[in-house]
Amino acid sequence: GAGVSQSPRYKVAKRGQDVALRCDPISGHVSLFWYQQALGQGPEFLTYFQNEAQLDKSGLPSDRFFAERPEGSVSTLKIQRTQQEDSAVYLCASISEGLGNTIYFGEGSWLTVV
Amino acid sequence: DAKTTQPNSMESNEEEPVHLPCNHSTISGTDYIHWYRQLPSQGPEYVIHGLTSNVNNRMASLAIAEDRKSSTLILHRATLRDAAVYYCILGRWGAQKLVFGQGTRLTINP
Repeated sequence: GAGVSQSPRYKVAKRGQDVALRCDPISGHVSLFWYQQALGQGPEFLTYFQNEAQLDKSGLPSDRFFAERPEGSVSTLKIQRTQQEDSAVYLCASISEGLGNTIYFGEGSWLTVV
Repeated sequence: DAKTTQPNSMESNEEEPVHLPCNHSTISGTDYIHWYRQLPSQGPEYVIHGLTSNVNNRMASLAIAEDRKSSTLILHRATLRDAAVYYCILGRWGAQKLVFGQGTRLTINP
C-alpha cells in the first residue's frame, strides 16, 4: 500500500492477556519506529529498527514489551501479560533515510486493557 | 534532546491566518525544526521542516528566527480541517527518533 499500515486498528484485551500488534511500513523504508501515545499526551518513543536490526529499545517500558522485524519489513510489537496502564495508541512510523526526511506514521492500534 | 515550548492551545477563525509559535532556546547547530500535526483519531502527519532558512510548502510556511531559538508555523488560511494538535520537534541529524512534547491544540471556529 501507499502508507504505513497497522493492524488491528482496535484491540480490547483482558488484563493478563498477550497481544501482538502488526506494522507494515512503506515498501523500501529502511527505518521503522514504534511509539506509544496515552490519552491526551504526545507520542513517546518505544523502539527503532534499521532493517532487521533493533538499534534502540530504550523506550520500551518493561520486559513485557518486545518488538521484532525479522526480515526487515513487517514489524510486530508484542505485549505480554497486559496491564491496564498499557492502554494506549501504539503508533508505527517509517522513514527511508536518516532524520531530515519525512517520517510517515500509521493510524495506530488502539489498545484497551480491561 | 533539546526541548521545545509551545502554548497548550490556540483558537482561530476559518479563512484567517494562524501563527503557531515554538520556543527552542537550547537548539544545537545540527537540529532540524520539524512540525507535525495530529488530527483526531489519526497518526501524526508531517507538515514542514527547516534548518535555518524560512521554508514554504503547499501546507504551510515555517519562519525561523535568525538566532534559531524560536520558530513559527504559519497556516495562511485556516480551514476547519486544520483543527489538530500541532507538534514542534527538534531532530538532530543522525538521530533516529523524534521527541514529542504536548503540542498546541488548535481550534478553528467556523
